[in-house]
Amino acid sequence: QKEVEQDPGPLSVPEGAIVSLNCTYSNSAFQYFMWYRQYSRKGPELLMYTYSSGNKEDGRFTAQVDKSSKYISLFIRDSQPSDSATYLCAMSSPNTGNQFYFGTGTSLTVIP
Amino acid sequence: EAGVVQSPRYKIIEKKQPVAFWCNPISGHNTLYWYRQNLGQGPELLIRYENEEAVDDSQLPKDRFSAERLKGVDSTLKIQPAELGDSAVYLCASSLVNTEAFFGQGTRLTVV
Repeated sequence: QKEVEQDPGPLSVPEGAIVSLNCTYSNSAFQYFMWYRQYSRKGPELLMYTYSSGNKEDGRFTAQVDKSSKYISLFIRDSQPSDSATYLCAMSSPNTGNQFYFGTGTSLTVIP
Repeated sequence: EAGVVQSPRYKIIEKKQPVAFWCNPISGHNTLYWYRQNLGQGPELLIRYENEEAVDDSQLPKDRFSAERLKGVDSTLKIQPAELGDSAVYLCASSLVNTEAFFGQGTRLTVV
């Protein structure tokens, strides 16, 4: 079993839709959770960084962590064509030093 | 503040030839990572440095890959000789202790 599981998609939504992206994980020691956005032929760009459980909101983006279910989500409200990219979840734990565990990424297309 | 800088952006080489990638991390970031990303996959760690020390190189194919981090700042990743299966995007990232990682734009390697 992989440390982090992420549905690769692809996911296609109309402009203005609410998008939900999800990852599950197996290691209960993970405490730091990240979402990256990666445009084609670019490096991953950090979108959201959260520590432990709870929600964090930044503009149209909301990151949610449910440690009891080992489940994290990224919600995108009022999705725009410019949100079309691959979204990667990543996580780490103080117990594993600065080692990050990545999902495989979900490809999202927002149709105008 | 400058982000993680990588060069070159693209490289095409024939198999059995050597190739080298260079990375300049964000100033002050003590941890530096080299990842390899295949199409449709998440980044896979090759090597992680804490300052100038390689603390995790378990996934680095040491028969052909080598890396160094000069004075705990810049880093170079080398492949010699390259094989067709080495075609991928090589990503460099840096972070502070127990914080999020920031990525460069990557080097897209094509081995023909």
